[in-house]
Amino acid sequence: GDSVTQMEGPVTLSEEAFLTINCTYTATGYPSLFWYVQYPGEGLQLLLKATKADDKGSNKGFEATYRKETTSFHLEKGSVQVSDSAVYFCALNTGGFKTIFGAGTRLFVKA
Amino acid sequence: NAGVTQTPKFQVLKTGQSMTLQCAQDMNHEYMSWYRQDPGMGLRLIHYSVGAGITDQGEVPNGYNVSRSTTEDFPLRLLSAAPSQTSVYFCASSQRGLAETQYFGPGTRLLVL
Repeated sequence: GDSVTQMEGPVTLSEEAFLTINCTYTATGYPSLFWYVQYPGEGLQLLLKATKADDKGSNKGFEATYRKETTSFHLEKGSVQVSDSAVYFCALNTGGFKTIFGAGTRLFVKA
Repeated sequence: NAGVTQTPKFQVLKTGQSMTLQCAQDMNHEYMSWYRQDPGMGLRLIHYSVGAGITDQGEVPNGYNVSRSTTEDFPLRLLSAAPSQTSVYFCASSQRGLAETQYFGPGTRLLVL
C-alpha cells in the first residue's frame, strides 16, 4: 500500500544552519506531495506542496522538489531560525479520500 | 474567520465512559475529517465526510461514531472509551477534497484511564 517514510528525529540545529529532512514515498499512480508543519500546541498547517514530478514547492524559505525517479520529497531550508522549531510531516495523496502522513520529524533550533 | 475550532482542548475519561469531541468550521468547506495522532505513527484517518448527511470510515474507525447534520459541524463520539483511545485528535476541513489543502483545528488531547 501507499506509505511515507521520513527521517527520525529529533533534529537539533544551531540558528542559521542548513536543514534537510528526508522524505521518501511508495505509491501507485501519481501522488500529490505535501509538507505540513505543527508548531507547539497547534494543529498542522500546510507548509508547501507539489502536484507533479519535478515541481518545486516553496514557502517561508523552505523548499522541496518532487523527484519521481528517487520517489523523494526532501525538505530544505538554507538558514533556520529558532521560530522554525516544530514538527514537520511529509504526506501524500493519490486523489482519493485519504492523505497518508509520515510519522513526523521534530526540529529543535538553538539560538 | 475562526477557521476550524475544536472543544474541549483536554479531557480525562475513565474506561467505559462516553463523550463527544466537537469540531466546527466556518469556511463552508464540504469535506471534513477526523484524525488521531500517536507518537511515532503520524496521523491516521478515523472518519471523514464529503458533505452534510454523508460520512464514511477511514483507516481506524473502530470505537468511534460520527454524524454530519450541517456543513459546519462534525462531532466525533466515543461510545465506550478505552485506554487505547488515549491520543491527540485533530479535525480538518478542505474545500475540494482531501487531496487539496487541509485546514486543521488545534486538537483535543484525550487521556483514558
